[in-house]
Amino acid sequence: AQSVTQLDSQVPVFEEAPVELRCNYSSSVSVYLFWYVQYPNQGLQLLLKYLSGSTLVKGINGFEAEFNKSQTSFHLRKPSVHISDTAEYFCVVGRGSYIPTFGRGTSLIVHP
Amino acid sequence: GAVVSQHPSWVICKSGTSVKIECRSLDFQATTMFWYRQFPKQSLMLMATSNEGSKATYEQGVEKDKFLINHASLTLSTLTVTSAHPEDSSFYICSAQRGGDTEAFFGQGTRLTVV
Repeated sequence: AQSVTQLDSQVPVFEEAPVELRCNYSSSVSVYLFWYVQYPNQGLQLLLKYLSGSTLVKGINGFEAEFNKSQTSFHLRKPSVHISDTAEYFCVVGRGSYIPTFGRGTSLIVHP
Repeated sequence: GAVVSQHPSWVICKSGTSVKIECRSLDFQATTMFWYRQFPKQSLMLMATSNEGSKATYEQGVEKDKFLINHASLTLSTLTVTSAHPEDSSFYICSAQRGGDTEAFFGQGTRLTVV
């Protein structure tokens, strides 16, 4: 079985400040890791994914994440956030035939 | 590429009626489609997984007679909420995956309100 823990339900931050959204996972097998963003009343958009190879993954909109196998983490970071980054962010674990497990989500709130 | 279209984007229906939601992969063949339900301020809950041409696999606690899923072709899956009740009001999202892919692509979601 696999599980995903997003440690923060809400992260408030000021515009142009850096941000880190935390994600830890547990699995008995190798996994694939994803971060998705959801804007209000919309579907999900893929930010980035880790399948294998380099542990630092760069995604869209200036986001990046680092896979840390020893700490079973896949934290999402952005060096300078914008108001438009305000949204819900989901960490997702998948494996093999990709049966995804979603974290509970982190609401990023960017203040001017 | 890899666009998933979900229709309708929102629907209001009366209690007791049935509602059908469509999920289409526009530019690829989806061997597997997933249906999720999302309550306000909560994560996505996987309802069922469907493979083209076979019966859907429902997650524990999801009533398969109430939430009918049909994956009749490689580009279309439908979710029918039968005899809808106000507690079925929710945001429903589908996703589609190509065979052998490690990523699923999401539709834009359907907001269902049962009055």
